Amino acid sequence: EVQLVESGGDLVQAGGSLRLSCAASRFNFGIYWMQWVRQAPGKGLVWVSRMNSDGGSISYADSVKGRFTISRDNAKNTLYLQMSSLRVEDTAVYYCTRENSYALDGWGQGTTVTVSS
Amino acid sequence: QSALTQPPSASGSPGQSVTISCTGTGSDVGTYDLVSWYQHHPGRAPKLMIYEVTKRPAGVPDRFSGSKSGNTASLAVSGLQAEDEADYYCSSYAGSDNFVFGTGTKVTVL
Repeated sequence: EVQLVESGGDLVQAGGSLRLSCAASRFNFGIYWMQWVRQAPGKGLVWVSRMNSDGGSISYADSVKGRFTISRDNAKNTLYLQMSSLRVEDTAVYYCTRENSYALDGWGQGTTVTVSS
Repeated sequence: QSALTQPPSASGSPGQSVTISCTGTGSDVGTYDLVSWYQHHPGRAPKLMIYEVTKRPAGVPDRFSGSKSGNTASLAVSGLQAEDEADYYCSSYAGSDNFVFGTGTKVTVL
């Protein structure tokens, strides 16, 4: 079964930066597209970013474009999300997900990012 | 990248059926047969229930089924069980490597 474990969530002030990590195991990480999805408190799921298997294709939601950077290290089976210029509205649980046939068939438990004003 | 529209809530008694709609536009749901559905019990990781509009991953009961007509996709749950009580989200590929989720529907088993 797919295992994805996020880490790096923390309390940070507005304008600050944070890097999330996602350790993948129990599947061949290097051949899968990966995505980040977030859920603000009391709100729904929101797509954040997507990266293909070798890092050559990247996309972002408009709300994070220019502030967040997705990356991966296939040798370490790890996905990252570098977040900068953080805003209060970025407060959310961030999920690392595995994409398969344009659907997300693997999810981590999430890591919580809180941005204070 | 506007969220797909879902009803906030739906409910049914054990054994009954419930259907959740997911309305998008001609730029997402209407163009691509790439709609997926997720079940989310609060505090747990979301779970894929349906992909490519109608397909079920291994292990998902056939009580769950998906369909699409025009800009609206639907998830039907038959033979409701207590464990089906959860939040459900649709998602669609929206072109240009973008994705969009629905607003979410809370399903209550009465």
